[in-house]
Amino acid sequence: KAGVTQTPRYLIKTRGQQVTLSCSPISGHRSVSWYQQTPGQGLQFLFEYFSETQRNKGNFPGRFSGRQFSNSRSEMNVSTLELGDSALYLCASSSSYGGYTEAFFGQGTRLTVV
Amino acid sequence: AQTVTQSQPEMSVQEAETVTLSCTYDTSESDYYLFWYKQPPSRQMILVIRQEAYKQQNATENRFSVNFQKAAKSFSLKISDSQLGDAAMYFCAYSREYGNKLVFGAGTILRVKS
Repeated sequence: KAGVTQTPRYLIKTRGQQVTLSCSPISGHRSVSWYQQTPGQGLQFLFEYFSETQRNKGNFPGRFSGRQFSNSRSEMNVSTLELGDSALYLCASSSSYGGYTEAFFGQGTRLTVV
Repeated sequence: AQTVTQSQPEMSVQEAETVTLSCTYDTSESDYYLFWYKQPPSRQMILVIRQEAYKQQNATENRFSVNFQKAAKSFSLKISDSQLGDAAMYFCAYSREYGNKLVFGAGTILRVKS
């Protein structure tokens, strides 16, 4: 069974640009969560999608948005990039929403904003 | 809001010896889940062990075990017979009963000496 796939693995963008990151969950998984990892702030939850609906959102500005498609693949978008958006963005997929389900992580997208 | 605290930024252990990583958390919920994740240099988060709050028995997975003290809100990880491959960043994480949002601690870097 293929794992969680995040594309691209590395990105370099310029301040003010926008970027779209993609996450393909494990086949059959319907929940996708996104996290931002930085040396200063650690791992912070961005948002969670289940069945194409945003179920939970972290404390990030409106420049950060996401969506989920009918095949459960998810994208996150960051508009008007700032230097502080440089981070490792991790995606995790889970099989369901209620009760405990294990979250499986992708290898992340390393975004550098210059 | 739930918080997770890891007070040890870095720990070292000799190969084949035992090490304990500490974690405390704060929540007003009665039902929740606790996890230890390992993040090696490849950056892929790997679930090491999980504990359901309603279970009094401490979870064990091979060389990894936890000491879960619900009243004290403490959740430590013990690694026995440490191996070089155990060297990584370890994150303690909390999740409510519903939804898959994970709240992470700041992490502990574990170094294993041969």
